[in-house]
Amino acid sequence: NAGVTQTPKFRILKIGQSMTLQCTQDMNHNYMYWYRQDPGMGLKLIYYSVGAGITDKGEVPNGYNVSRSTTEDFPLRLELAAPSQTSVYFCASSYPNRGPLQETQYFGPGTRLLVL
Amino acid sequence: RKEVEQDPGPFNVPEGATVAFNCTYSNSASQSFFWYRQDCRKEPKLLMSVYSSGNEDGRFTAQLNRASQYISLLIRDSKLSDSATYLCVVKEETDSWGKLQFGAGTQVVVTP
Repeated sequence: NAGVTQTPKFRILKIGQSMTLQCTQDMNHNYMYWYRQDPGMGLKLIYYSVGAGITDKGEVPNGYNVSRSTTEDFPLRLELAAPSQTSVYFCASSYPNRGPLQETQYFGPGTRLLVL
Repeated sequence: RKEVEQDPGPFNVPEGATVAFNCTYSNSASQSFFWYRQDCRKEPKLLMSVYSSGNEDGRFTAQLNRASQYISLLIRDSKLSDSATYLCVVKEETDSWGKLQFGAGTQVVVTP
């Protein structure tokens, strides 16, 4: 199993450009998440999904959009990049059921985004 | 006020020594607690869950104090490979979807 994969690993955007951060998991997890991590701050939840076709906003959704057409894929879209979106973006997934296994979130390697 | 607070460190620890650090959380309704480990420029990975009675996993011991709303992590016989940032994570809901609150992390540097 590859686990959670993310592309690209690093990207530089100009203000106003758009891009899609890709996330794929091969663990058949229903739950998927997008976080951003800024220096000195904890991870902040941007969007999450509890299954294909179902998405919802997290703490910091402004400036982002998501879709979940399949169980495996959960892309994050930035429409008009702003310097405030410079960050490291992590995608994660987890099991849907109660119990210890449900508690663990598996993270992808991250995408480093710089907006200039 | 941050919902999960941690001393950022760094905690400089000689190899073989013991290091301990805490994390405080603000929501008394928090249900589940975890320590994640994050290596430099890598993704977070679950280190251990924290149970009400406290629990050990090898050289790592986690404790929960609900009355004072903090959890702790103790690392015994520190190894160079223990150098990392340790994230305190708190889950607030009891249903199957539970929002996780992440602390900013405590950096541990183990020196030879």
